[in-house]
Amino acid sequence: QVQLQESGPRLVKSSQTLSLTCTVSGGSTSSDGYYWSWIRQHPGKGLEWMGYIYYSGSTYYNPSLKSRVTLSVDTSKNQFSLKLNSVTAADTAVYYCARGFGNYAPLDYWGQGTLVTVSS
Amino acid sequence: DIVMTQSPDSLAVSLGERATINCKSSQSVLYSSNNKNYLAWYQQKPGQPPRLLISWASTRESGVPDRFSGSGSGTDFTLTISSLQAEDVAVYFCQQYYTTPITFGQGTRLEIK
Repeated sequence: QVQLQESGPRLVKSSQTLSLTCTVSGGSTSSDGYYWSWIRQHPGKGLEWMGYIYYSGSTYYNPSLKSRVTLSVDTSKNQFSLKLNSVTAADTAVYYCARGFGNYAPLDYWGQGTLVTVSS
Repeated sequence: DIVMTQSPDSLAVSLGERATINCKSSQSVLYSSNNKNYLAWYQQKPGQPPRLLISWASTRESGVPDRFSGSGSGTDFTLTISSLQAEDVAVYFCQQYYTTPITFGQGTRLEIK
């Protein structure tokens, strides 16, 4: 059974960089065909897809965030990571990592999510 | 970006009755070369991540009860729960993965009447 788990600081100061890591178990970040995504959900709101990364390092970022987001993958640790810089209170959200088989595919496994609060 | 619009925003249905949620995309998500609709439905319960229920507009995921069904093509889609159970109380989202950026509907909150 594939499991994903987000980790990282729950509180980030405004203007700083939010950093989260997703650890994958029961599956491999280097498996051919799987794309690893980050999605966020503002409190009580809908879902915003932030981008994905492939094990090769190939990425696609949501243009709404493109200038601030960076994804990376460490296949030796079976992890992939998110960095979002210059955060503001508007970046306070639950951040999820998820997996899709293909870059145009549904997201079949999700982490439990982690609430990150941006404080001034 | 493809805009996904769900209706209604909230819905109250009696136990055992049918629940219907609609999703409309701002452009077609039907890929003509394989005749597949790049549309998924998710269920989200409080404090939990979204759970994939249906992919390719109508393919139920393993373990999803058969009271859940998806239909539609092109730009108009429907999630139907044939006989509402108490455990179906949740927010439901549609999602298109036809093109990037992937986008979701705003969600429909389903409650018991």
